[in-house]
Amino acid sequence: GIQVEQSPPDLILQEGANSTLRCNFSDSVNNLQWFHQNPWGQLINLFYIPSGTKQNGRLSATTVATERYSLLYISSSQTTDSGVYFCAVERNNQGGKLIFGQGTELSVKP
Amino acid sequence: NAGVTQTPKFQVLKTGQSMTLQCAQDMNHNSMYWYRQDPGMGLRLIYYSASEGTTDKGEVPNGYNVSRLNKREFSLRLESAAPSQTSVYFCASSGGQGAPLHFGNGTRLTVT
Repeated sequence: GIQVEQSPPDLILQEGANSTLRCNFSDSVNNLQWFHQNPWGQLINLFYIPSGTKQNGRLSATTVATERYSLLYISSSQTTDSGVYFCAVERNNQGGKLIFGQGTELSVKP
Repeated sequence: NAGVTQTPKFQVLKTGQSMTLQCAQDMNHNSMYWYRQDPGMGLRLIYYSASEGTTDKGEVPNGYNVSRLNKREFSLRLESAAPSQTSVYFCASSGGQGAPLHFGNGTRLTVT
């Protein structure tokens, strides 16, 4: 099956700092999504981004499908950004089978 | 608009007992999923249903069965619970291939 690797596994930031999270995948994909799991365990969809660049407020994401990686940028981090960030991918023609990476745990200190 | 609703939120079972986790979505989504989350393991796909009437195995299907009862509901059954099935279970739905995935709030299951 497809392999999804996220880095770094954990990250500690001071409030106001910027960060970049990376997701590498081992095969061609037609679906890539980023999620945030907050400290209460809720999973929130951040981006659907199989290719290209999208921005939503302080967050942006870029996927370079030909090189099999995606990046999530968090600018001017806030304590509410703390939690675990997951990327999930679906290999071409897999009928919706979305596979998750192991996540990056982010802690933003005040 | 409730989104994806899972019941129960918490459950404790003894080894060998059976139970069904319920999931319903009110977004008219075609696809529904069951994942389990264990510490350090991320989310692993148990089963998914790309559309009403179809179900497919994910990464870790052993020990589980599913039923896509109708377009709204997708249940997960543990026939004979084992301690290795202690986990947090998440149901999710999406509008289909390429559509964003929406999660329920999870069910925390402990098997003793």
